[in-house]
Amino acid sequence: QKEVEQNSGPLSVPEGAIASLNCTYSDRVSQSFFWYRQYSGKSPELIMSIYSNGDKEDGRFTAQLNKASQYVSLLIRDSQPSDSATYLCAVGPAAGGSYIPTFGRGTSLIVHP
Amino acid sequence: EPEVTQTPSHQVTQMGQEVILRCVPISNHLYFYWYRQILGQKVEFLVSFYNNEISEKSEIFDDQFSVERPDGSNFTLKIRSTKLEDSAMYFCASRALAGWETQYFGPGTRLLVL
Repeated sequence: QKEVEQNSGPLSVPEGAIASLNCTYSDRVSQSFFWYRQYSGKSPELIMSIYSNGDKEDGRFTAQLNKASQYVSLLIRDSQPSDSATYLCAVGPAAGGSYIPTFGRGTSLIVHP
Repeated sequence: EPEVTQTPSHQVTQMGQEVILRCVPISNHLYFYWYRQILGQKVEFLVSFYNNEISEKSEIFDDQFSVERPDGSNFTLKIRSTKLEDSAMYFCASRALAGWETQYFGPGTRLLVL
């Protein structure tokens, strides 16, 4: 059974601060890692993908991956109230085929003015 | 920008009734998926579809569920005899063969079984 674990939160940060979201996974052979943002009542929206150990930056978002520790994180710099949402971590196999990611339950982030 | 669409946005049905949820994937995509998300819980994979057949399905996707691509654009999920526990948000997703990892989700259908 593949498991993806996230702290459900809520994580509350002030506007302008750095929000740090964490995720651990159980399947050691996982090769692809994703962060989705989901607003209440809406569908998941992909914001970051990462495949290699280290950091990947895209605007205010940085994804960090440590395969040895089976750990992936998302940093959001200069957090805005519009970043308030649930952030889903998804972990998947190597490229190709049907490609079925396993989702975590998500961490609720609240950015207060 | 192309997007996945789903209809209806909301569906209320009586237990034991059949429902059909409809999706129009992005036109040049080749893989299609159905997921569900029970309120407050994680997104769960139901089934994937490629080349006009099911490529993978989860334990949730039992004999009560079926999928079909009746024409070149629609992709449907049928639940034959709904149960209370089928109440959830159902998301359709699609992806192109190239850019394999990026699944584009539709807005979802909220299904309520009474």
